[in-house]
Amino acid sequence: EAQVTQNPRYLITVTGKKLTVTCSQNMNHEYMSWYRQDPGLGLRQIYYSMNVEVTDKGDVPEGYKVSRKEKRNFPLILESPSPNQTSLYFCASSLYPSGANVLTFGAGSRLTVL
Amino acid sequence: AQRVTQPEKLLSVFKGAPVELKCNYSYSGSPELFWYVQYSRQRLQLLLRHISRESIKGFTADLNKGETSFHLKKPFAQEEDSAMYYCALKFGSGGSYIPTFGRGTSLIVHP
Repeated sequence: EAQVTQNPRYLITVTGKKLTVTCSQNMNHEYMSWYRQDPGLGLRQIYYSMNVEVTDKGDVPEGYKVSRKEKRNFPLILESPSPNQTSLYFCASSLYPSGANVLTFGAGSRLTVL
Repeated sequence: AQRVTQPEKLLSVFKGAPVELKCNYSYSGSPELFWYVQYSRQRLQLLLRHISRESIKGFTADLNKGETSFHLKKPFAQEEDSAMYYCALKFGSGGSYIPTFGRGTSLIVHP
């Protein structure tokens, strides 16, 4: 089944403890992106990647890192998580970063930083 | 700067009533516009896009370039339409478009 898979789905951690949220897609999509969803603020883009080894900052990149070493994977790294990074995170991908291409979303990862 | 505005955080209607979820955008180029929907405990999914000019689940959206709007409409709301709706704009040039989302509108349809 064609899909975007995120792990973990739920995570509670403590301030400063590095964590990685994985994202994998099996559709050979070039474009991948991370969003965070917060009440009243909607979806905000953290980082995106146009293709392997090509990444760029979105609207709210502070405190996050990403890498795109292979096409299917786009992990989100929080080197030193803080409570303001408590949020619901979504990974998404599309075949190409062109106008008409539709985003396919993962199921979301709910992160709580204490 | 490119921007998508959804002025209503919450829209509450009764079953059978018409629904209009507003979306305005600011972009000087030719926009690609989409509506995504997130039902309770489900992932975001595409509802419709303006280039398709289609009706999905009874919803339609017309791009009005003069008013820079892409409002989502349905003549008779159903309870199963209750969800979070996001308007999205893709802006860019050539082969590279970056999607930007509005803040979302939560639609509640009462029985």
